[in-house]
Amino acid sequence: DQQVKQNSPSLSVQEGRISILNCDYTNSMFDYFLWYKKYPAEGPTFLISISSIKDKNEDGRFTVFLNKSAKHLSLHIVPSQPGDSAVYFCAASAGTDKLIFGTGTRLQVFP
Amino acid sequence: DAGITQSPRYKITETGRQVTLMCHQTWSHSYMFWYRQDLGHGLRLIYYSAAADITDKGEVPDGYVVSRSKTENFPLTLESATRSQTSVYFCASGSGGYSGANVLTFGAGSRLTVL
Repeated sequence: DQQVKQNSPSLSVQEGRISILNCDYTNSMFDYFLWYKKYPAEGPTFLISISSIKDKNEDGRFTVFLNKSAKHLSLHIVPSQPGDSAVYFCAASAGTDKLIFGTGTRLQVFP
Repeated sequence: DAGITQSPRYKITETGRQVTLMCHQTWSHSYMFWYRQDLGHGLRLIYYSAAADITDKGEVPDGYVVSRSKTENFPLTLESATRSQTSVYFCASGSGGYSGANVLTFGAGSRLTVL
């Protein structure tokens, strides 16, 4: 059973517009959420995270929103740039348990 | 070079062969992990380790063996490769524990094809 779900396998956005990547989870015990970004032929790299005590965390062009009642988090990229084209994985953990990753969303930012 | 290094980057083998994927990190991170990435499944944890000589099974451990005699090395062995083990394998390390609050650093991956 997939505890962390990314229902959109791909997303295409024009440069300069907002990209919104979504992630749903089923385990109410999750208390820490992260987004990792992955370019082809490279390993995933950490992008941004949020604790369950917050509902928003911002880092430059990247903002993560957490809606605990809906068990939903989203990553907003504003403005989107061609270099943002990558696969984005959301991940979650509960207490000291290990990270569980979603299936990934491939973002393509076109000129 | 500092960082986390995986070798080989690409490997083609045949069903039934033994294959070992190497992982070496230079940060002296206590925690190390092996993931596999497959379309439709994302990243799934195979094995992990909290320190030298301490290893444990993840979500999909069947058909894999790990060892950790030194903190910096965490090899993953497929004792008798099967086609279902065709995948991209990522090694990762972290310093502070298992929870998401401790960011993981990943290697570049090893793409394994089993014919």
